[in-house]
Amino acid sequence: AQTVTQSQPEMSVQEAETVTLSCTYDTSESNYYLFWYKQPPSRQMILVIRQEAYKQQNATENRFSVNFQKAAKSFSLKISDSQLGDTAMYFCAFMPWTGNQFYFGTGTSLTVIP
Amino acid sequence: GAGVSQTPSNKVTEKGKYVELRCDPISGHTALYWYRQSLGQGPEFLIYFQGTGAADDSGLPNDRFFAVRPEGSVSTLKIQRTERGDSAVYLCASSLNGQLGYTFGSGTRLTVV
Repeated sequence: AQTVTQSQPEMSVQEAETVTLSCTYDTSESNYYLFWYKQPPSRQMILVIRQEAYKQQNATENRFSVNFQKAAKSFSLKISDSQLGDTAMYFCAFMPWTGNQFYFGTGTSLTVIP
Repeated sequence: GAGVSQTPSNKVTEKGKYVELRCDPISGHTALYWYRQSLGQGPEFLIYFQGTGAADDSGLPNDRFFAVRPEGSVSTLKIQRTERGDSAVYLCASSLNGQLGYTFGSGTRLTVV
């Protein structure tokens, strides 16, 4: 079974600063996908960034980047130049190679302080 | 449509009643998923449709829960004899290629009183 652990229930960051959210996972699979989703108060889950496990290069999307350590089963999200609109719940998620299902962590509530 | 639409946005029902939650996926998306998000938790998988058929319903908690997608587009999640423990946000998502990620709706918040 796959499990995803987010050990930081809440975090805060000053506007324009950088913050890193942690995520670890457990799986016996060798090929899979990892995602970060953002959930604002509107409840809609919004895709932030995606990583394919067979790729060693860390994914980057504008101000968002990941540090993927496959051997350590770690997948942290770095947000640079934090903006007020980044305030939300952030969920780390594991997806098996088949793409049929997500396994989500319990989330990290991020607050960007003006 | 432009996004995944879920109705109603909020639903309050009495314990023991029957409820239906509707999901209208992005046009052309063949895969549709239902997840349940309890307070303070991440979403948990309920069921996955590929076209009209349920490809994986292993996440449905018991036989009070049932979902259909008769024409391969709109899906309805049905809950019989609701219990207070069913209170949660029910999220629907759709995709063309699940490995690229899903597009989620804004969910239905179900409250059983």
